Amino acid sequence: QVQLVQSGAEVKKPGSSVKVSCKASGYTFSSYTISWVRQAPGQGLESMGRIIPMFGLTDYAQRFQGRVTITADESTSTAYMELSSLTSDDTAVYYCARGLPGREFSLFYWGQGTLVTVSS
Amino acid sequence: DIQMTQSPSSLSASVGDRVTITCLASQDINNDLNWYQQKPGRAPKLLIYGASNLETGVPSRFSGSGSGTDFTFSISSLQPEDIATYYCQQYDNLPISFGQGTRLEIK
Repeated sequence: QVQLVQSGAEVKKPGSSVKVSCKASGYTFSSYTISWVRQAPGQGLESMGRIIPMFGLTDYAQRFQGRVTITADESTSTAYMELSSLTSDDTAVYYCARGLPGREFSLFYWGQGTLVTVSS
Repeated sequence: DIQMTQSPSSLSASVGDRVTITCLASQDINNDLNWYQQKPGRAPKLLIYGASNLETGVPSRFSGSGSGTDFTFSISSLQPEDIATYYCQQYDNLPISFGQGTRLEIK
């Protein structure tokens, strides 16, 4: 069965960076887009970007341009999301997600979420 | 990026009521719209794709309609387990984007 397992919670200082991992199993990793979505406490869902592992092709939401980098390692079936220049506004749960065959942006499979807390 | 505007932001209804949520896109997105349900502490769950197609296993009381810029999500007869926050999401233009959510409560 398809599973996306994310790395554990992180506490970071303002100005630092965080790198969250998303290990996929149960399917051919290179064939499906991985999207990253975050959710600040008590707030809504916010798309950050995506990667097609087979091509390394990425797209990023405008508000994160220059601050987010999404990568994928096909050898370990793992996607990564790195966010730099952290502020308290980046405190959120970060999710990776995958769509369905022919519907890559209908996000059916989700990781368990990774809480990133930014605090001095 | 395409902006998605949901209304209302919160809604209180009784068990058995019909509930309707609207989602407005800042530009034409054809029918490239999904609806999700999210319960506290959980990842979102896909309910409807392509504006009006019910995901497998989702109860038939949930439905969606619309195309272009105006979309509607409905629950025909509200059940206690439907208490959650609902989000629309467009995928016509990258990056994908979500509405701000509608929090549904039982009256």
